[in-house]
Amino acid sequence: NAGVMQNPRHLVRRRGQEARLRCSPMKGHSHVYWYRQLPEEGLKFMVYLQKENIIDESGMPKERFSAEFPKEGPSILRIQQVVRGDSAAYFCASSGTSGTTDTQYFGPGTRLTVL
Amino acid sequence: GENVEQHPSTLSVQEGDSAVIKCTYSDSASNYFPWYKQELGKRPQLIIDIRSNVGEKKDQRIAVTLNKTAKHFSLHITETQPEDSAVYFCAANPFTGGGNKLTFGTGTQLKVEL
Repeated sequence: NAGVMQNPRHLVRRRGQEARLRCSPMKGHSHVYWYRQLPEEGLKFMVYLQKENIIDESGMPKERFSAEFPKEGPSILRIQQVVRGDSAAYFCASSGTSGTTDTQYFGPGTRLTVL
Repeated sequence: GENVEQHPSTLSVQEGDSAVIKCTYSDSASNYFPWYKQELGKRPQLIIDIRSNVGEKKDQRIAVTLNKTAKHFSLHITETQPEDSAVYFCAANPFTGGGNKLTFGTGTQLKVEL
């Protein structure tokens, strides 16, 4: 049973370019969460999605960031016009059932470096 | 919103000793408290979790305690080994009816010395 998959593992972008991060949840999971981890800091919630729906985006910056989880295919976190402050590790996690206390399993992360 | 504080930020112990990491949370509605271990450059891995209907849970050398009245929970690692060296994060689930996002503490760098 494959775990949570993320790609690419490392991504380098120049300021002003776009970054697309992909996450495939664990088999059977329909809930996806994105977290950002700045160097030597904790994980900060960004967005929670179910298939074709954004459930909670309270942690997403208002501009340049967007997320989707289409009916088919992986969840995508998109950052437009990247700036150096976007450099971080972006982790997605997935959980299996609706409810309040589902265990979240993390992917290996995408390390974004903005030059 | 929920706020989770974690202490200490760094912890050094001798191999074989016990390690204790403490967290406090602010939202009394939180009802799920997982602990994750993260090695350098790796993904956070769940090591143990506790739900609000129990006060203590144990899994081999790892245990977690929860005091809902005081709104704090702790991770206890006994007989520490060098491979326990990592960053440990506590988290709380401030369920608001819209999903179970996790609010994380700032992490504890645990170093187990030979």
